[in-house]
Amino acid sequence: GESVGLHLPTLSVQEGDNSIINCAYSNSASDYFIWYKQESGKGPQFIIDIRSNMDKRQGQRVTVLLNKTVKHLSLQIAATQPGDSAVYFCAENGGLTGGGNKLTFGTGTQLKVEL
Amino acid sequence: DAGVIQSPRHEVTEMGQEVTLRCKPISGHDYLFWYRQTMMRGLELLIYFNNNVPIDDSGMPEDRFSAKMPNASFSTLKIQPSEPRDSAVYFCASSSMIPPETQYFGPGTRLLVL
Repeated sequence: GESVGLHLPTLSVQEGDNSIINCAYSNSASDYFIWYKQESGKGPQFIIDIRSNMDKRQGQRVTVLLNKTVKHLSLQIAATQPGDSAVYFCAENGGLTGGGNKLTFGTGTQLKVEL
Repeated sequence: DAGVIQSPRHEVTEMGQEVTLRCKPISGHDYLFWYRQTMMRGLELLIYFNNNVPIDDSGMPEDRFSAKMPNASFSTLKIQPSEPRDSAVYFCASSSMIPPETQYFGPGTRLLVL
C-alpha cells in the first residue's frame, strides 16, 4: 500500500534570493531556541540560537527573529546558496518545565534552492 | 573535538535479531540523548541521561528497547528482538550542563530490519 509520511512544508527559492523559514513554538515557558540544519544522510547540525531576552540575533548569513507575543520564530538566510538546501528544524527548551536540557523539535521545513 | 561518534553507521539485520547501537558523546558533556527519526513520525526523543543516569525514558517505544550508559564516554541502545517497524535512523546527541543547552548530534545509525 501507499506509505503516508510527514508532509514537510517546502520552501523553494532561487539561488541568491533571501529565504525565510518560520516556526511556531508551543511552550510559552521556553526561554531558549535553536535552529538546526539537516542535510540528506546527515545528523542535524546547529546553526544559530537565541535566548528569550533577545528579539534578534545575527550570524554569518543567518538571522533568527523571536516574537514571544505570538510564539513565533523565524530563520532568515541571506543570499541563499545551493549548499543551503536541507531540512531546517526549530527547537525549544521548554523553560523550567522542560528541564534537563531536553529540547522539543518542530517537524521541519524543506528548503530547496533552485539554480 | 571529533564530535559525537556513532557506530555502526549502517546496520542491516533480520527480524528477531538483537541490534546494538553505540555512541560516544563529546568529551565533557553531561547529557546524552537518543533519538529516532522516521518519515512517518519525524524526530522522536527516546531517552536521555544526565551524568550517566537515565532521566526520562518515556519515549522508549517498548520493552524491546533498552539503553545504558556505563560511563561518561559511552552509551548503547539495544533492540531485542528487532522488528521491521524499528527501521529508522537513530541519532545520539550530547550537551553540556553549562548553558547554552545546545545539543550536538552524531551522524546517525541507519537501521534496516528485514
